[in-house]
Amino acid sequence: AQSVSQHNHHVILSEAASLELGCNYSYGGTVNLFWYVQYPGQHLQLLLKYFSGDPLVKGIKGFEAEFIKSKFSFNLRKPSVQWSDTAEYFCAVSAYSSASKIIFGSGTRLSIRP
Amino acid sequence: EAGVTQFPSHSVIEKGQTVTLRCDPISGHDNLYWYRRVMGKEIKFLLHFVKESKQDESGMPNNRFLAERTGGTYSTLKVQPAELEDSGVYFCASSPTKGPTDTQYFGPGTRLTVL
Repeated sequence: AQSVSQHNHHVILSEAASLELGCNYSYGGTVNLFWYVQYPGQHLQLLLKYFSGDPLVKGIKGFEAEFIKSKFSFNLRKPSVQWSDTAEYFCAVSAYSSASKIIFGSGTRLSIRP
Repeated sequence: EAGVTQFPSHSVIEKGQTVTLRCDPISGHDNLYWYRRVMGKEIKFLLHFVKESKQDESGMPNNRFLAERTGGTYSTLKVQPAELEDSGVYFCASSPTKGPTDTQYFGPGTRLTVL
């Protein structure tokens, strides 16, 4: 069965610290990979996505993620976080062939201390 | 361009009552999806419409849930009768075409509380 595992439930960092959120997926086929973010009181929005090509994907607000096929991983990184990055982050996967349903991880709540 | 909208934003009902949630996708988007997040758990897929047709309803939990998309525009999700375990946030998303590079755009969600 398809599944997504996010390693951390809650991460607390100070401003300017580096961030890496772990994500592993289980799927027997070609996949699309996503990171979505939900800021307090706002909609879920797409942070970045991988479909094909360069496994290092750059997204909005200085975020990037690296697809490592051999490890079934798609970790999210940011070199220096800001207080405004406080949000919940969701790793997600869908089948490349259909791009229909998205399978989400359980989410990682990121709290940034000012 | 207006985003995906959902109504109501919150709903509090008693067990056994009926509730209808509405989603208006981005104009021109043929694909409409419903998801649900139960407290503390992951966001789970419920079903997918392409225009007015149900493409995939594998995530619908049981026959108390009925989704419709008459005319291929807005969609409704009815829960009848509601049970305590139906509490959660119901998200709707839409995308323009059915293909591997589509992005799904999410609405703000409807928070349903069943007492």
